[in-house]
Amino acid sequence: KAGVTQTPRYLIKTRGQQVTLSCSPISGHRSVSWYQQTPGQGLQFLFEYFSETQRNKGNFPGRFSGRQFSNSRSEMNVSTLELGDSALYLCASSLVQDGTDTQYFGPGTRLTVL
Amino acid sequence: AQSVTQLDSQVPVFEEAPVELRCNYSSSVSVYLFWYVQYPNQGLQLLLKYLSGSTLVKGINGFEAEFNKSQTSFHLRKPSVHISDTAEYFCAVSDPFTGGGNKLTFGTGTQLKVEL
Repeated sequence: KAGVTQTPRYLIKTRGQQVTLSCSPISGHRSVSWYQQTPGQGLQFLFEYFSETQRNKGNFPGRFSGRQFSNSRSEMNVSTLELGDSALYLCASSLVQDGTDTQYFGPGTRLTVL
Repeated sequence: AQSVTQLDSQVPVFEEAPVELRCNYSSSVSVYLFWYVQYPNQGLQLLLKYLSGSTLVKGINGFEAEFNKSQTSFHLRKPSVHISDTAEYFCAVSDPFTGGGNKLTFGTGTQLKVEL
């Protein structure tokens, strides 16, 4: 079974631009969560989608948004990029949303904002 | 809200020696606990998880952890480490009982460096 895939793997943008990252979960998984990983703040939860609905949201500004499609693929968008948005963005998928199922993480998208 | 504390940012250890990575959490409700490992330039891989039941949890690659409710700890142990265990280890907590779903709150990580 294929794992979680994230595209692109690396991305370079400049301040003020916007970016869209994509995550394809493991086949059959309906929950997709996004995390931001930085050296200073560590791993922080962005949001979780289940069956196309946002179920949980972290403490990030409205510039960070996401969505989930009917095939469970998910995208996250960051508008008006800031230097501090440079990070590794990780996506994780699982079968259910009750916290009991293992979450499988993708390799991440490394975003650099210049 | 939950929080997770990993007291040791770096742990050096010689190959074949035992190791313990410490994790303490704070929460006013029942939680699930997890340990993840991250190798360079990779995502996170689940080592083990505690949902309920036996407080001693066995995971992959010979790792185990013990849930201690009174001390709010979930320390990770391995009796004999290998050079390939060099990686960063993250402790995490979730609180699905209060609507947290799959949301994980992570500690700051412990870099395990195994030396020959």
